[in-house]
Amino acid sequence: DGGITQSPKYLFRKEGQNVTLSCEQNLNHDAMYWYRQDPGQGLRLIYYSQIVNDFQKGDIAEGYSVSREKKESFPLTVTSAQKNPTAFYLCASSRTSGAYNEQFFGPGTRLTVL
Amino acid sequence: KNQVEQSPQSLIILEGKNCTLQCNYTVSPFSNLRWYKQDTGRGPVSLTIMTFSENTKSNGRYTATLDADTKQSSLHITASQLSDSASYICVVHQGREYGNKLVFGAGTILRVKS
Repeated sequence: DGGITQSPKYLFRKEGQNVTLSCEQNLNHDAMYWYRQDPGQGLRLIYYSQIVNDFQKGDIAEGYSVSREKKESFPLTVTSAQKNPTAFYLCASSRTSGAYNEQFFGPGTRLTVL
Repeated sequence: KNQVEQSPQSLIILEGKNCTLQCNYTVSPFSNLRWYKQDTGRGPVSLTIMTFSENTKSNGRYTATLDADTKQSSLHITASQLSDSASYICVVHQGREYGNKLVFGAGTILRVKS
């Protein structure tokens, strides 16, 4: 998984709770990304960050929040405003956000709402 | 609409046989096309990256082709092994002017049986 760790591997949430998914990378990459994967669909971008203390919304940012206080870390909070949070969440990083920079993915966190 | 369509949705082959997975895209503009392998419950791992000027690229038993005129790509797997069982995802990169966005296909699920 190329130096990217995600925790926990499995997460269960009760309705109305906020939960935070961890993503850490030791690749010295500037850019980091959060994706959501649902069965039968392609990955969808939630948020991305090209540099510390800066991040941008992706295609499905509603109900999610992120922070980028350190280069190595890009945690994702799934808030109670996210109406259908059950999914597989993938964090990725790349050297920069340029066109030919490969994105390396973490092992993922499977979130289930009880 | 920018889309990446993959076929077939799923495929079962016998160990040792070859197979070809298809990817058609309507994404524009186009910077490069990538194929990823995703094992169940894991993050995707890059197999190949091709620019519009490249017709073919190999990575071991995996060979990707690209026809930028017809907007089609294929991934050919030679002498399949049980460990090739995974989802194979086609991804198109839109380029810097579109925020270096990646558009993901839903994947082809390959099962190799003995």
